[in-house]
Amino acid sequence: QVQLVQSGAEVKKPGASVEISCKASGYSFTTFDMHWLRQLPGQEIEWMGKISPSGGGTNYAQKFQGRVTMTRDRSTNTIYVELRSLESEDTAVYYCARGQSTVWHNVPSYWGQGTLVTVS
Amino acid sequence: QLTQSPASLSASVGDTVTVTCQASQGINDLLAWFQQKPGRAPKLLIYAASTLESGVPSRFSGRRSGTDFTLTISSLQPDDFATYYCQQVHTFPITFGQGTRLE
Repeated sequence: QVQLVQSGAEVKKPGASVEISCKASGYSFTTFDMHWLRQLPGQEIEWMGKISPSGGGTNYAQKFQGRVTMTRDRSTNTIYVELRSLESEDTAVYYCARGQSTVWHNVPSYWGQGTLVTVS
Repeated sequence: QLTQSPASLSASVGDTVTVTCQASQGINDLLAWFQQKPGRAPKLLIYAASTLESGVPSRFSGRRSGTDFTLTISSLQPDDFATYYCQQVHTFPITFGQGTRLE
């Protein structure tokens, strides 16, 4: 079955960077777009961007442009997100998610378990 | 932009409830609904405004009327008490509604 397993919780100081990984299994890794989202302490959900595991192409939300990088490693079926210049407002639970289908590729249907990033 | 209402909703087992999401511009049917329970990732319920995701009970339904979208849960079950979000995938950045807490 489809599984997305994320790396563990992180505590970072303001100005630092964080990298979170998401290992996919149970399906063809290169077939479906992958998304990164985050949920703020007030429960708001923000879409950060997406990556195509096949070609590596990315689409970032303008809010994160210049501060985020999404990459993938096809040899290990893993995607990564790096967020730089962290601020306290970046404290959130970060999720990776897989597109629902090749047609509905922007609807996240399978989600990782979440990674809490605390900036303090 | 999506405006979701109400922010919270009180109901009982067996009730029928409706959550509304209004888009600020036309987004066709490019809207999804999610359910989230505390400490868990969101779960996809409906996409394409009214298509039920595989495995989701038929008491969940979605409807579109112009730029207004509704999620209806019929005959509420104890497992349905959670927070619900709408999401638009018409325009980047993909955005979510503010959430509706069903208690």
